[in-house]
Amino acid sequence: GAVVSQHPSWVICKSGTSVKIECRSLDFQATTMFWYRQFPKQSLMLMATSNEGSKATYEQGVEKDKFLINHASLTLSTLTVTSAHPEDSSFYICSATRTSGLETQYFGPGTRLLVL
Amino acid sequence: EDQVTQSPEALRLQEGESSSLNCSYTVSGLRGLFWYRQDPGKGPEFLFTLYSAGEEKEKERLKATLTKKESFLHITAPKPEDSATYLCAGGDSWGKFQFGAGTQVVVTP
Repeated sequence: GAVVSQHPSWVICKSGTSVKIECRSLDFQATTMFWYRQFPKQSLMLMATSNEGSKATYEQGVEKDKFLINHASLTLSTLTVTSAHPEDSSFYICSATRTSGLETQYFGPGTRLLVL
Repeated sequence: EDQVTQSPEALRLQEGESSSLNCSYTVSGLRGLFWYRQDPGKGPEFLFTLYSAGEEKEKERLKATLTKKESFLHITAPKPEDSATYLCAGGDSWGKFQFGAGTQVVVTP
C-alpha cells in the first residue's frame, strides 16, 4: 500500500502561537510531499510542494514566512503555522509521491486546526 | 486560466439508481486526470488515474472515463456506502494537482 499519516489529527491553539503538523509516509519513501488547505465545503487548495532536501515551492498568495515547510527526510515533512490567527483555522492535508514527476498522490488523514 | 469544474455540486440517489458525475477541465499542460473519494473529516482516498482520451478504469461500482475535455465517473447501482464527496484533479508534468470543487453524493436506502 501507500500509507500517509499526519499528526496531530486536530489541534486547538491560541492566537499568536505556532503549531507544527507532521506528515509521514509509512511504507514508502516520499521524494515529494504536498501541503493543501481545505476550508469547509470547499475543495483542496495547494499551498506548497516540497522535495526532500530542498526548499519548498509555495503557491501564489501563500506566505512562506508564515507557513514554514521542512522536508528533512524521505519519510517526514512538517508544516509549521507561525503566529497563527483565527483566519488560519482550516483543515490541513498533506500528500506524498514516490517521485518528483506526475504520479498518484497519496493523502494523509488531515489535521484540523482551530485558532482561538 | 486553468480550471477544473465538477458537476453537479450535489447528487442525491436512491440505492440502485445509477448516475454519472462530470469533471471538465481546461488545464494547460494536463498530463493526467485523477479521481478521489473524500469522506467527511478525512483525507482523499485514491480511486483512478486516467492519462489518455478514451481510457477507462473500473473498480466495483465505479467506472471512470476520459475524453479530451472531460471525465466522467459513473456509479452503477450505488449503495449507501458510496455516499461521499468525489473529487477530480488535473495533474501537470511537475506533479502538481488542481482540484475541482467536488460532487457530494448521498445514496439513500
